[in-house]
Amino acid sequence: DGGITQSPKYLFRKEGQNVTLSCEQNLNHDAMYWYRQDPGQGLRLIYYSQIVNDFQKGDIAEGYSVSREKKESFPLTVTSAQKNPTAFYLCASSTARERGTEAFFGQGTRLTVV
Amino acid sequence: AQTVTQSQPEMSVQEAETVTLSCTYDTSESDYYLFWYKQPPSRQMILVIRQEAYKQQNATENRFSVNFQKAAKSFSLKISDSQLGDAAMYFCAYRSLNYGGSQGNLIFGKGTKLSVKP
Repeated sequence: DGGITQSPKYLFRKEGQNVTLSCEQNLNHDAMYWYRQDPGQGLRLIYYSQIVNDFQKGDIAEGYSVSREKKESFPLTVTSAQKNPTAFYLCASSTARERGTEAFFGQGTRLTVV
Repeated sequence: AQTVTQSQPEMSVQEAETVTLSCTYDTSESDYYLFWYKQPPSRQMILVIRQEAYKQQNATENRFSVNFQKAAKSFSLKISDSQLGDAAMYFCAYRSLNYGGSQGNLIFGKGTKLSVKP
């Protein structure tokens, strides 16, 4: 079945550690996105990529980094520079060129700083 | 920049009744899409309905329908015959169709938490 897979579902990070969240899709979508969800804040865009080997900062990119070496994969690294990383992270993908198609979401990763 | 506003943080509806969730947006663009997503307690984002800005006809999907008022920049969601399974967070989202730059990015409102009473 086609879809988006995020792993792990739960992740714990110690102070000063970098952690990487995985996002893989087999929908043949060009575009991929990372969103952060906090209570009462909706979803805020961290990074997005419209094509392999290219990505752009979203609204809250500070303290995060990404790579897009393969069409299917768009991992997100939460660095030690991110001061408040505890949140729910959602990865999404969509076609980049066709009109009006919605974004498909993974099941999310809950990151907690311990 | 585009913004999406959901002014109702929480709503409640009796089972089998009808409820309307509000959404307004701000944009200078003429060509875009609007979406309603549902996020149940599992936190999986599920598309409920979409509306193309150039279509005047309001979209419908079974018990879900929208009231799209382009001039007023309003996009409300009506849920008829509410069911217990409709209880969730509902997010309104905007997608620009301008080519280049941030084309395709979804801009979300802060959500409305819907409770359904049996």
